[in-house]
Amino acid sequence: GAGVSQSPSNKVTEKGKDVELRCDPISGHTALYWYRQRLGQGLEFLIYFQGNSAPDKSGLPSDRFSAERTGESVSTLTIQRTQQEDSAVYLCASSQPPSTDTQYFGPGTRLTVL
Amino acid sequence: QKEVEQDPGPLSVPEGAIVSLNCTYSNSAFQYFMWYRQYSRKGPELLMYTYSSGNKEDGRFTAQVDKSSKYISLFIRDSQPSDSATYLCAMTGTASKLTFGTGTRLQVTL
Repeated sequence: GAGVSQSPSNKVTEKGKDVELRCDPISGHTALYWYRQRLGQGLEFLIYFQGNSAPDKSGLPSDRFSAERTGESVSTLTIQRTQQEDSAVYLCASSQPPSTDTQYFGPGTRLTVL
Repeated sequence: QKEVEQDPGPLSVPEGAIVSLNCTYSNSAFQYFMWYRQYSRKGPELLMYTYSSGNKEDGRFTAQVDKSSKYISLFIRDSQPSDSATYLCAMTGTASKLTFGTGTRLQVTL
């Protein structure tokens, strides 16, 4: 595709439910990132995938958060037992080494936990 | 203390004004610096990228980096209403995960 796509664009869920957010990176991009953007705050790094290497999970805020990536394509971010503080926009980005610092972002998924 | 500090604004300027947006940082390992523009309910869009101290110009935009002072700036000349957005500075040392400022909301008025 032309850019990074994410689905759903909006997700409203009840506290305690699990949610899955999907990211389709730019074709050929081997690096994929998830960030969280809370209202009025900057982007917060969550997790980074690069090819077949072990992902960098250092930004995941709790064990309720997990992410998977199928090969070098689609990634899914899963939040279990959602809490109200999980409400945020979840952004996915992809890049192509060696220019891993040039990251292209998707439109994000706006998650609201009631 | 946050690794990257950025004035959240909002900043309101008239059309045609020169805009100055700034970030300071504390981590001397940061070597690559970026500015992103984010329109409401959209993902961030890369505007400028630089990795050395000094100025880099692209059209109406100039990015400035001063590593000795740990200070970066983005200047917008002849600002337009279409420049109204949130501007995020970002930086990295390892060329992987980015550390972002909180963003400055800019409003350019007619």
